[in-house]
Amino acid sequence: DVKVTQSSRYLVKRTGEKVFLECVQDMDHENMFWYRQDPGLGLRLIYFSYDVKMKEKGDIPEGYSVSREKKERFSLILESASTNQTSMYLCASSFGDGRTEAFFGQGTRLTVV
Amino acid sequence: QKEVEQDPGPLSVPEGAIVSLNCTYSNSAFQYFMWYRQYSRKGPELLMYTYSSGNKEDGRFTAQVDKSSKYISLFIRDSQPSDSATYLCAMSDSGGSNYKLTFGKGTLLTVNP
Repeated sequence: DVKVTQSSRYLVKRTGEKVFLECVQDMDHENMFWYRQDPGLGLRLIYFSYDVKMKEKGDIPEGYSVSREKKERFSLILESASTNQTSMYLCASSFGDGRTEAFFGQGTRLTVV
Repeated sequence: QKEVEQDPGPLSVPEGAIVSLNCTYSNSAFQYFMWYRQYSRKGPELLMYTYSSGNKEDGRFTAQVDKSSKYISLFIRDSQPSDSATYLCAMSDSGGSNYKLTFGKGTLLTVNP
């Protein structure tokens, strides 16, 4: 079974803090993604990576950055957390060989106070 | 017009009912179609993955794709209370960026015992 593991289920951070969300996958997938999910807005792509050290902006990259130093690990960084970044964050991964189905982690519920 | 439209529900059915969940889309380049199930406060779980038009069956679940109408469906037979969740459709094209998925916003299903 594909396993995508996010480092935390729940996080509470203060406004202005630098926040790191970590994701690890064990299926040797080429592609990794970070989404946020908000009621009424659905899943929105923040960033994705198609190879180590490679990244592309998604639909809502402002206020976020990412790092992929190893194939299995993809980190999302909130440079200076704000209350409007309170959300459910979902990491996903997929093969890079034409298969497009993505596998998700369990999600991190981030609250910024 | 949004790329993917999905009725948000909520949809409430009695146990044992046949459930029909649907999405319509506007991008004729979409070739790969997925259905995800998401329990409350959890990450989406891949249920079905189909390519192009046709039907695919897996246990109580059947996925249908009608590319001529740009319409996809997920049928759940003999629905169970454990099927209560939000169901997300997702799709991607066959071009160079086919690793990017476009999601519907999800339909909330409740199966009542």
